[in-house]
Amino acid sequence: NAGVTQTPKFQVLKTGQSMTLQCAQDMNHEYMSWYRQDPGMGLRLIHYSVGAGITDQGEVPNGYNVSRSTTEDFPLRLLSAAPSQTSVYFCASSSGTQIGGYTFGSGTRLTVV
Amino acid sequence: AQSVAQPEDQVNVAEGNPLTVKCTYSVSGNPYLFWYVQYPNRGLQFLLKYITGDNLVKGSYGFEAEFNKSQTSFHLKKPSALVSDSALYFCAVRAITGGGNKLTFGTGTQLKVEL
Repeated sequence: NAGVTQTPKFQVLKTGQSMTLQCAQDMNHEYMSWYRQDPGMGLRLIHYSVGAGITDQGEVPNGYNVSRSTTEDFPLRLLSAAPSQTSVYFCASSSGTQIGGYTFGSGTRLTVV
Repeated sequence: AQSVAQPEDQVNVAEGNPLTVKCTYSVSGNPYLFWYVQYPNRGLQFLLKYITGDNLVKGSYGFEAEFNKSQTSFHLKKPSALVSDSALYFCAVRAITGGGNKLTFGTGTQLKVEL
C-alpha cells in the first residue's frame, strides 16, 4: 500500500518553463489537494478536488492548473514557471467520509531560476 | 474565512519536561481541529483531531490536545518530551459546515527538545 506518491522529488526549472507535478494515491480517496509550503507561511492550499471531474481553487491558485480525470491521479501543472513558485509542494488525499485525516505525499522541492 | 494562529515560531524544552505548543483558531460555527507533525524532508503526519465530545483528545506518540471553546484554542501537549519529538508541528482547522474537507493550516511551530 503506497499511499500518496509524488514525482519528481526535486526539480529545477528555468523561468518561463512549464512542467507537471504528479500525484497518485491508491486508497480510493475522493478528496485530493495540493499545498505549497514556504518558510514562515505554513501550508497554503493551491487547488483541490472532491472527486473525479471536479476541481476548485484554493487560496493561491494563480499560475497553476489541475485536472482530475481519475480517482487516483491529481496532477498539478505550472504553466509558465516564475521564481515566486520556488517552494515545496505537497499533495494530500482523504476519504470523503473521514473528517480531516489527510494522507500526505513526501513532497516535491521545486526551484525556479 | 477560517484561520489558525501559532504564535510561537519555535519552542525549546528539555527532555523529560512537559511541552506545550499553542494554537488558536477562527472559524464560523463549530470547528474540527487537527495537529500534524513534519519531520525533516518528509510530508506531514496526522497526530490527532478534535471532532466532538471530550475536550481532551489523545493522539499518537503520547501527545494530547485540549480544546477550549471559550478561548478558541487547541494547544498540543505532552507530559514528558523526548529528543525524538523534535520536529515541525502544524495546527489546522476546518469548519463543520461548508468548505468541503478543506483544512487551513497555521504557520507551524518548530519544537526543539534538548538533552
